[in-house]
Amino acid sequence: AQSVTQLGSHVSVSEGALVLLRCNYSSSVPPYLFWYVQYPNQGLQLLLKYTTGATLVKGINGFEAEFKKSETSFHLTKPSAHMSDAAEYFCAVTGSNQGGKLIFGQGTELSVKP
Amino acid sequence: GAVVSQHPSRVICKSGTSVKIECRSLDFQATTMFWYRQFPKQSLMLMATSNEGSKATYEQGVEKDKFLINHASLTLSTLTVTSAHPEDSSFYICSASLGLGGYEQYFGPGTRLTVT
Repeated sequence: AQSVTQLGSHVSVSEGALVLLRCNYSSSVPPYLFWYVQYPNQGLQLLLKYTTGATLVKGINGFEAEFKKSETSFHLTKPSAHMSDAAEYFCAVTGSNQGGKLIFGQGTELSVKP
Repeated sequence: GAVVSQHPSRVICKSGTSVKIECRSLDFQATTMFWYRQFPKQSLMLMATSNEGSKATYEQGVEKDKFLINHASLTLSTLTVTSAHPEDSSFYICSASLGLGGYEQYFGPGTRLTVT
């Protein structure tokens, strides 16, 4: 079985500050991990993914995430927040035994203060 | 690349009527499509998985006779909400997967259904 926990349903940062959104997972098989962003009344956009290989993955809009197997974590970071980063962020996991189904975390709403 | 569209983006219907939502992969062939439902301020709830030419696989608790899914081609899947009621009002999102082992899903923009 697989699951995802996003710590903090709401995170608020100042513009220019570091963004850190936390994601922990559990998986009985090697995980494939994803971060998606959702703007109001829109679908989800893929920010980045980890499948195999390099554990530090870079995505769009300056975001990156590091897969840490020992900590079962896949936290999302961005060095400097922009106002346009305000959105809902979802971490998701799947594995080779899931038939392509994604298991989503509860989501973290990011607010950016001017 | 990997663009998924949904139509309509918003729909209002009367209780007891049926509504069809289309999901299309515009620039790729999707071996698998997924349908989700999202309530306000909540995560996505997977409703069903569909593969082209096969019957959809529904998640536990989802009424297959109420939420009819057809995956007629590698670029089109439809969700029909039959005999809609106000409690079916929600944001419905589809996604499509290339199925090449990358596992990522590409999401449509969503459809806001309001049943009056």
